[in-house]
Amino acid sequence: KQEVTQIPAALSVPEGENLVLNCSFTDSAIYNLQWFRQDPGKGLTSLLLIQSSQREQTSGRLNASLDKSSGRSTLYIAASQPGDSATYLCAPYNYGQNFVFGPGTRLSVLP
Amino acid sequence: NAGVTQTPKFRVLKTGQSMTLLCAQDMNHEYMYWYRQDPGMGLRLIHYSVGEGTTAKGEVPDGYNVSRLKKQNFLLGLESAAPSQTSVYFCASATLAGMDTQYFGPGTRLTVL
Repeated sequence: KQEVTQIPAALSVPEGENLVLNCSFTDSAIYNLQWFRQDPGKGLTSLLLIQSSQREQTSGRLNASLDKSSGRSTLYIAASQPGDSATYLCAPYNYGQNFVFGPGTRLSVLP
Repeated sequence: NAGVTQTPKFRVLKTGQSMTLLCAQDMNHEYMYWYRQDPGMGLRLIHYSVGEGTTAKGEVPDGYNVSRLKKQNFLLGLESAAPSQTSVYFCASATLAGMDTQYFGPGTRLTVL
């Protein structure tokens, strides 16, 4: 059974800093992995989907990398802004199964 | 284009009462999902559907039933609510299982007293 952990559980940084969120998963035979953002009291919004054949995927100030063999993905956020404050969840997908969501990293970017 | 909508947004039930949560999507997606989100437990799959008229159990299906009579709607029922079902419930839909992004609704906050 796929198990997902995210480190750190919470992170507080001053505005402008570059930061890295980590996601680890136990079953490396994934088809893809998604990173989601969740604002307080809201649903999840997909940020990036990275296929198992890819090493990186970029969208604006966000860059997700995937090391499938070691069961790790990182989400890099450049030049963080207060509007980036949210919980970030990763979700690996194994073919024929369902998404398994990590517990999330709660990010606070201080102005 | 409303995306995924959920009704109601909030609900308080007494133990033993029943209710139905409605999820609707206007993106013509085949796949629909019901999750619950609890502090410290993350997001867990309750039931899902791979198309109109189909349903399947997820990780935590006990105490819930679902129906997908129309492609655009996915209903989650609680026949006899228990305090352990106090949670935030999210519906999601997708074109393809896992191969494309899931689109989430805004959630329903349910409290069972």
